[in-house]
Amino acid sequence: QSVLTQPPSVSAAPGQKVTISCSGSSSNIGNNYVSWYQQLPGTAPKLLIYDNNKRPSGIPDRFSGSKSGTSATLGITGLQTGDEADYYCETWDSSLSAVVFGGGTKLTVL
Amino acid sequence: EVQLVQSGAEVKKPGESLKISCKGSGYSFSNYWIGWVRQMPGKGLEWMGIIYPADSHTRYSPSFQGQVTISADKSINTAYLQWSSLKASDTAMYYCARPMVRGVIDWFDPWGQGTLVTVSS
Repeated sequence: QSVLTQPPSVSAAPGQKVTISCSGSSSNIGNNYVSWYQQLPGTAPKLLIYDNNKRPSGIPDRFSGSKSGTSATLGITGLQTGDEADYYCETWDSSLSAVVFGGGTKLTVL
Repeated sequence: EVQLVQSGAEVKKPGESLKISCKGSGYSFSNYWIGWVRQMPGKGLEWMGIIYPADSHTRYSPSFQGQVTISADKSINTAYLQWSSLKASDTAMYYCARPMVRGVIDWFDPWGQGTLVTVSS
């Protein structure tokens, strides 16, 4: 069981918007920054969002992040078939003294 | 361009030792932490530990402390992950990645392409 809870799967049609939630606690999300990663099939993870809501250079503004209390959310607008991937949230857990990842969410673009 | 290139896939037997590598380029390797992340077949990501090549200071996940050894050779810009006695449960994809460390470990970017380790008798 992951320390951070994500829905196993989400789906939406091309062009639509989807959100992926990541729920934690005061020892992790509540007091630390959240990052999000995209893992396309058969490839390494790629950083999408850091510091809750910042995008690295080259990441389109269709991807957004937010945090409220002990939960974080990844938003993707204008869905494309190329967005089909597994998405992971990540943060530091101060009680565990460890990096923790969510269990991952599989996005299907119908 | 910052790049991490990992060594190739390995097939080992239980009880054997193994050392896999991750070579950094495009940045001052010694002055940035580098870490390892495990992904078991069909599963999620698990942080294993990080190392600072300039002085070889390491920080391990409690889950992996004592199970693996992380090292680095700053003269050849390479980090390593090693096992002294592999188990079938070590079968996984292993990624190296460069963490941003600001007291705590905040994010990982970029990532290596991954090294698949298969342990089977």
